Amino acid sequence: EAGVAQSPRYKIIEKRQSVAFWCNPISGHATLYWYQQILGQGPKLLIQFQNNGVVDDSQLPKDRFSAERLKGVDSTLKIQPAKLEDSAVYLCASSEGYGYTFGSGTRLTVV
Amino acid sequence: TQLLEQSPQFLSIQEGENLTVYCNSSSVFSSLQWYRQEPGEGPVLLVTVVTGGEVKKLKRLTFQFGDARKDSSLHITAAQPGDTGLYLCAGAWDGGSQGNLIFGKGTKLSVKP
Repeated sequence: EAGVAQSPRYKIIEKRQSVAFWCNPISGHATLYWYQQILGQGPKLLIQFQNNGVVDDSQLPKDRFSAERLKGVDSTLKIQPAKLEDSAVYLCASSEGYGYTFGSGTRLTVV
Repeated sequence: TQLLEQSPQFLSIQEGENLTVYCNSSSVFSSLQWYRQEPGEGPVLLVTVVTGGEVKKLKRLTFQFGDARKDSSLHITAAQPGDTGLYLCAGAWDGGSQGNLIFGKGTKLSVKP
């Protein structure tokens, strides 16, 4: 079974620039999550999708972050404009039941 | 706001030693999961516990869920260098498969040969 695919693996941008991350979940998993993991901390949920609908985006900084999951499969997470404090690993996960399967993440550095 | 406290934050031991890490909350979990994360990778699910008092074993790893479903522990017997990583506990409060997970900050384990 193919895992959760994420790209790019690494991204370095200057503050105030924009960036987008892509995620392809495990085939058939209806639920998709984006998490932000700052160095030294556990992952923090940004947004949860059920198929192509948003279930929870209460912790998404909506003034600069946006996410979509068209057709209920792939998803993109965008940051515009980026701030220094957005430097983190952005993890995508999908689930069908209790366990989550995570991708390898995108490490974002904002300079 | 639900919080998960993990302890210790860091643990450095010699190969062959035993260790226990803890995960505590003031809230009751509907389910709790343990993950292991290696540098540059996403967390990998180790176990899910759902019943108070439940004990699960995975080779040298023993997971226990507290009777009140507010705490959990992970015990590793005869640790090996391959056990090195970040151990994360994550709790679900919404119940069922639809609930999103809240993660603790993790315990960073280093096992020296």
